[in-house]
Amino acid sequence: KAGVTQTPRYLIKTRGQQVTLSCSPISGHRSVSWYQQTPGQGLQFLFEYFSETQRNKGNFPGRFSGRQFSNSRSEMNVSTLELGDSALYLCASSLQLQETQYFGPGTRLLVL
Amino acid sequence: AQKITQTQPGMFVQEKEAVTLDCTYDTSDPSYGLFWYKQPSSGEMIFLIYQGSYDQQNATEGRYSLNFQKARKSANLVISASQLGDSAMYFCAMRARNTGNQFYFGTGTSLTVIP
Repeated sequence: KAGVTQTPRYLIKTRGQQVTLSCSPISGHRSVSWYQQTPGQGLQFLFEYFSETQRNKGNFPGRFSGRQFSNSRSEMNVSTLELGDSALYLCASSLQLQETQYFGPGTRLLVL
Repeated sequence: AQKITQTQPGMFVQEKEAVTLDCTYDTSDPSYGLFWYKQPSSGEMIFLIYQGSYDQQNATEGRYSLNFQKARKSANLVISASQLGDSAMYFCAMRARNTGNQFYFGTGTSLTVIP
């Protein structure tokens, strides 16, 4: 089975722009979660989707949003980018909400 | 609130020796799962091992074993016969039913294997 895929792998944006990141889960997995990882804050949970519904949400401003499609693929969007949004964004999928999460390779976002 | 604590920011181990990475957790839910992940410098988080709160025996996966002490709320990862490729960040994580099964991660331990 193919693993979790994320696109793009690398991205450079400037302050004020917006960005959309994509995640394709492992085939058959219905839950997708997003995390932000920075050297200073570590791994922080953004949100989790299951069957196209947001089930959990972390403590991030409204500039961060996401959605999940009927094929379980997910996108996250960050509007009005700030320098502090520079991070590795990781997507993870699991069969069900309570099961093991498997991560993708991440998208490295640099905001200039 | 859930909490995962990893008190060792960095660890060194000689190649072929065993090493224990510490993890303690805090939850009021009797039903929870504990996980360990490895993150090499490439960035991808690799799932290593899982322990359920009701599991009677410690989980093992190849060279990885989880030393689960429920009363002490600890879930230490033991890596036997360390290899150079084991050098990476290691994260302990937990998810519990009473918080919607959201994952909580520790701050990680950086392991360096010395030849």
